[in-house]
Amino acid sequence: SAVISQKPSRDICQRGTSLTIQCQVDSQVTMMFWYRQQPGQSLTLIATANQGSEATYESGFVIDKFPISRPNLTFSTLTVSNMSPEDSSIYLCSVDEGTSTGELFFGEGSRLTVL
Amino acid sequence: AQSVAQPEDQVNVAEGNPLTVKCTYSVSGNPYLFWYVQYPNRGLQFLLKYITGDNLVKGSYGFEAEFNKSQTSFHLKKPSALVSDSALYFCAVRVGQAGTALIFGKGTTLSVSS
Repeated sequence: SAVISQKPSRDICQRGTSLTIQCQVDSQVTMMFWYRQQPGQSLTLIATANQGSEATYESGFVIDKFPISRPNLTFSTLTVSNMSPEDSSIYLCSVDEGTSTGELFFGEGSRLTVL
Repeated sequence: AQSVAQPEDQVNVAEGNPLTVKCTYSVSGNPYLFWYVQYPNRGLQFLLKYITGDNLVKGSYGFEAEFNKSQTSFHLKKPSALVSDSALYFCAVRVGQAGTALIFGKGTTLSVSS
């Protein structure tokens, strides 16, 4: 399976600031997704990162708050803008390698704490 | 709407005993079902999947899962639990063609005591 690297692995941020999370894959992948895992909660899909076009956001998530880039088939970024303590979560990048069965593979996650 | 339910927040078993982590699903078409495990401060690791065919599927680390269409369930099992199996387990479902995201259950914490 693809090796997925996320940076930063963790960070402590101040309220009102923005942070960009990077996701690098060691091979070209068709689909990339960003999930959020709030403390003690399950994974919630934020958006699908589309290569060469705007991301597709799920209900409750907007581009102004979570801008996403996908410049090529191996890289994506998620920015968490104007952070508040409620944004404290683990943000996970996941990829679909294009198999017919579609299991996703995940990075190690980026744990953000907003003070 | 598609959904996945994991009715137990926590499952406690003794080492060497069999374990079961429950999952039920609600989808409008044929489901693709998955189990993932998350160890502390780590990302999710894929364990196994059901796509079609045999209802009993085998995966990593000795885990298996049984698909039951009539009960819309996909319970995760292991004949003999290890302390190292202690982790957070997620059931997930996908409906439709590859390239769509997975929908996850809320997760079940498995605690195996020695």
